[in-house]
Amino acid sequence: DTEVTQTPKHLVMGMTNKKSLKCEQHMGHRAMYWYKQKAKKPPELMFVYSYEKLSINESVPSRFSPECPNSSLLNLHLHALQPEDSALYLCASSQDLMGARQPQHFGDGTRLSIL
Amino acid sequence: AQSVTQLGSHVSVSEGALVLLRCNYSSSVPPYLFWYVQYPNQGLQLLLKYTSAATLVKGINGFEAEFKKSETSFHLTKPSAHMSDAAEYFCAVSVLTGTASKLTFGTGTRLQVTL
Repeated sequence: DTEVTQTPKHLVMGMTNKKSLKCEQHMGHRAMYWYKQKAKKPPELMFVYSYEKLSINESVPSRFSPECPNSSLLNLHLHALQPEDSALYLCASSQDLMGARQPQHFGDGTRLSIL
Repeated sequence: AQSVTQLGSHVSVSEGALVLLRCNYSSSVPPYLFWYVQYPNQGLQLLLKYTSAATLVKGINGFEAEFKKSETSFHLTKPSAHMSDAAEYFCAVSVLTGTASKLTFGTGTRLQVTL
């Protein structure tokens, strides 16, 4: 069982739809991350939140909009996505950001398909 | 910049044989290194981590890795492979960037276990 919970597990949406991915952790971690993973590739970092503030945006297109309502929740709002955005979206958390030695804990991901 | 290189995108072993997955790192400072495993349709699970406390690191599921500074390596081993070990394995290095730490992953190695 994973300690980082992501919903939904699967999502199919059209290019004009608006949807949101959700991520929740109750480990008291203060850093949370969004990754995108294409098939047979490693995860690619998208966003990092530290103490509910956006710390890193890896030049992600504006059709992806992250939100961190509180220290346990992380959302990724999707709008006007393209077919190439179809991928597995992974959420992760770590204890804090100032220790590079802190491992990240991953959820099982949301598999997103854009029609 | 810190990076990791995984040699061999695909490794096949017989059940009961030694597993050796190779990872070499490039870093100008002492690195923090991690091995993750990804089973089909799941997120990443932490196998083990190196944070400079001990050069031989033991992880879950019988895996271990040895940090060798002279060889800039952090290879993953397991004495006897099980069918359940078939998965994708990622080596990663953690980098502290400003107020955030980032994981940089290798390209991954798919482990196949045959009877």
